[in-house]
Formats: sequence, structure tokens, C-alpha cells
Amino acid sequence: LAKTTQPISMDSYEGQEVNITCSHNNIATNDYITWYQQFPSQGPRFIIQGYKTKVTNEVASLFIPADRKSSTLSLPRVSLSDTAVYYCLVARNTGGFKTIFGAGTRLFVKA
Amino acid sequence: EAGVAQSPRYKIIEKRQSVAFWCNPISGHATLYWYQQILGQGPKLLIQFQNNGVVDDSQLPKDRFSAERLKGVDSTLKIQPAKLEDSAVYLCASSLGPVTQYFGPGTRLLVL
Repeated sequence: LAKTTQPISMDSYEGQEVNITCSHNNIATNDYITWYQQFPSQGPRFIIQGYKTKVTNEVASLFIPADRKSSTLSLPRVSLSDTAVYYCLVARNTGGFKTIFGAGTRLFVKA
Repeated sequence: EAGVAQSPRYKIIEKRQSVAFWCNPISGHATLYWYQQILGQGPKLLIQFQNNGVVDDSQLPKDRFSAERLKGVDSTLKIQPAKLEDSAVYLCASSLGPVTQYFGPGTRLLVL
């Protein structure tokens, strides 16, 4: 399963756009890219998933280049409540999708 | 729609004691996962069930950890005997589709 690499931490200010990039050099053809958000004392929460190009939902956008060796989670106009840990995962179908969480990126949004 | 339920929310035990955690997944979700999350780290998959069959338990310390999912619904995770390094949050998740997992609030275990 493809290993993912993300920055350990990032700081931002309210109202800014935040881009978190994840590298997954060994991604396979059938792998999906998924991002989760985790607040303290809570379980992770699904944000967005994609296979290629761009995906957008009400929370975030996910940009995936043609080679799929990296992906970028974009959070528009962050607020203090977006302070959390963000995990990039590669999901592989092995008869039930298998995923591995890395250490994640700790985003701290300041006023 | 009700989310993933877990109990207890907190548990404190002494080393060498046993402990059990319970998980009720979202209704209709065939896949159930148990994760261990140590403070400051990402969740680590312990075991994955598809209905009541085990899909992946490669990272489950089978000398002390066991899990079952009878009738393909509820699941229990047991630790016997517990060690100090088992102190962590134990997360249960379930999924219907191929990728999106829905997590419960977790059980925070402290082993003294």
C-alpha cells in the first residue's frame, strides 16, 4: 500500500486559503486518495476523496495531478474551527478497502 | 441516521487486567474496523471485518488482543492481559461504500 508523506504542521490565519500537499509516489492504478479531519477527543471525519483531476464539495477541494503521485487538499477561507489534524490516505481495494493512516498534518488557525 | 456507537468512553485498569470494548456500527454497514490511536500518532488499524469475516488482522497483537463480530453487526475488542503500552484511544469505524469510513467517538484506555 502506498506510503503517504505530509508536512507535520502548518499555521494559518482566519480567512486565508490553506493548501496541504501529500505525496504518495507508489500509488497504484486502482488506489483512491482520501482525506480525513480529526479534532481532539473525536474520531476522524471523512472530508473528501478523489481518483484524478479535481474534486470539490461543500468543505474542500482536492487537486490530483495526472501522475497521481501527489494530491493537494485546499481549504478555502479557514476559520478557527478548522484547527485540526488532517490525514491523507491511499485506499486500496483488497476485498474491502485497506487504508493506512500516517501521522497527519496539524493545522493551527490563528485569529 | 445514528452514528457509530462505542462504549465505554473511558476505562482505567491496572496492568495485567483484562478489558473489553464494544462497537455498534451504522446500520447496514458491512465493513467494521478497529483502530488504536496512541497520543500524537495517526490511527493504526488493528482488525478489519467484512460482515463477520476477518479481512485484515495483520497488525493485531494476537497474543493479547482478540476481536469478534458475531452476526455481522456489533463487535467487541478484548485485551488480556493489558500492558502499559496499550494506553491509547480505541476507535471503531464502519463503512458501506468502498472508501468512506465513519468513526465512533472512541474509548480512551489508561493502563496503570
